[in-house]
Amino acid sequence: AQKVTQAQTEISVVEKEDVTLDCVYETRDTTYYLFWYKQPPSGELVFLIRRNSFDEQNEISGRYSWNFQKSTSSFNFTITASQVVDSAVYFCALKAVQAGTALIFGKGTTLSVSS
Amino acid sequence: KAGVTQTPRYLIKTRGQQVTLSCSPISGHRSVSWYQQTPGQGLQFLFEYFSETQRNKGNFPGRFSGRQFSNSRSEMNVSTLELGDSALYLCASSSGQSAGANVLTFGAGSRLTVL
Repeated sequence: AQKVTQAQTEISVVEKEDVTLDCVYETRDTTYYLFWYKQPPSGELVFLIRRNSFDEQNEISGRYSWNFQKSTSSFNFTITASQVVDSAVYFCALKAVQAGTALIFGKGTTLSVSS
Repeated sequence: KAGVTQTPRYLIKTRGQQVTLSCSPISGHRSVSWYQQTPGQGLQFLFEYFSETQRNKGNFPGRFSGRQFSNSRSEMNVSTLELGDSALYLCASSSGQSAGANVLTFGAGSRLTVL
């Protein structure tokens, strides 16, 4: 079975702090894709990143960075120098190829950044 | 390029009624997926349509159905509404060409309240 766990339900930080959102996944499939989405109060899920199971390179995009470790089945997301606009719910998701085309989402982490 | 459009954005129904939600995908996208988001269960996959055919289905009762038209627009229907059907229904589109790697682009959702 496929599963995504985001153990942190809510995180509150002050602007300019760094924050890491944890994601642990389970799958027996050898080919899979991992995603992060952001959901602002408007409700629309915004795509942030996709990583496939054969590419363990970490990635940095501006203030965002992602650390993918197959050995621990984790795909963590770090925001450097957080800003108020980063306040949102962040979802980690898994798509295992053998499971078909459905995305399996974690429960999400609500990030609140105060000024 | 227009995004994924969902209508209506908000609606209120009473138990026993039925509802139809509409989704217009990004131009050129042939795959449309539907997800239900509730505070308790999180984001759950309903079904996916590709070229007018249901390609994948989640674990929901038969009261939930969908279809896709030749122009890729999709509708989902919920019959005999129950209080537990109150949720944000999200539609997402993708090119659908690569079942595993596609990035889903989500609409803003239709928020259904069942009284």
